[in-house]
Amino acid sequence: EAQVTQNPRYLITVTGKKLTVTCSQNMNHEYMSWYRQDPGLGLRQIYYSMNVEVTDKGDVPEGYKVSRKEKRNFPLILESPSPNQTSLYFCASSLLGTDYEQYFGPGTRLTVT
Amino acid sequence: GQQVMQIPQYQHVQEGEDFTTYCNSSTTLSNIQWYKQRPGGHPVFLIQLVKSGEVKKQKRLTFQFGEAKKNSSLHITATQTTDVGTYFCAGAGGGNKLTFGTGTQLKVEL
Repeated sequence: EAQVTQNPRYLITVTGKKLTVTCSQNMNHEYMSWYRQDPGLGLRQIYYSMNVEVTDKGDVPEGYKVSRKEKRNFPLILESPSPNQTSLYFCASSLLGTDYEQYFGPGTRLTVT
Repeated sequence: GQQVMQIPQYQHVQEGEDFTTYCNSSTTLSNIQWYKQRPGGHPVFLIQLVKSGEVKKQKRLTFQFGEAKKNSSLHITATQTTDVGTYFCAGAGGGNKLTFGTGTQLKVEL
């Protein structure tokens, strides 16, 4: 089954404790991205990647890092999480970029206390 | 940077009433996509519009892309309870960033 998976689905952590949210897709997609969803703000793009070893900032990259060492994986790293990063995070992938349908993962609900 | 606004933010309708959400971009878009997110779920792709003035239909849903490629609308005829969710538009200005609208949350009452 074609899908985007994220882990963990739920995470409660404390300020400053490094964490990684994994994202994996099995559709051989070139383009992958991370979004955060907050009430009233919609989905905001954090980082995106056009291909292996090619990443770029989205609209809200501060406080986040990403890497794309393999085509299928695109982890999101919060090196020193803060309470304002409490949010719902979605990973998405598409065949070649923004001109193609985006496939979303199930989401990761992150709470930073 | 590019901004995409959607109105209204919320809409409550009685089942059978029509519903429209509007999407406006600060810049010209190469295409516009629409997504639906059910409560507790993830966004799911509905459609993509590419051409200026394009109109597409999916059963009770009608999508339009403005002539200037800066605005779009989604119209649902005779809403049903299965239409409940948040509808997002998303656009790219020709680059590799995708900007989502703020979303319209639709509630349908019997």
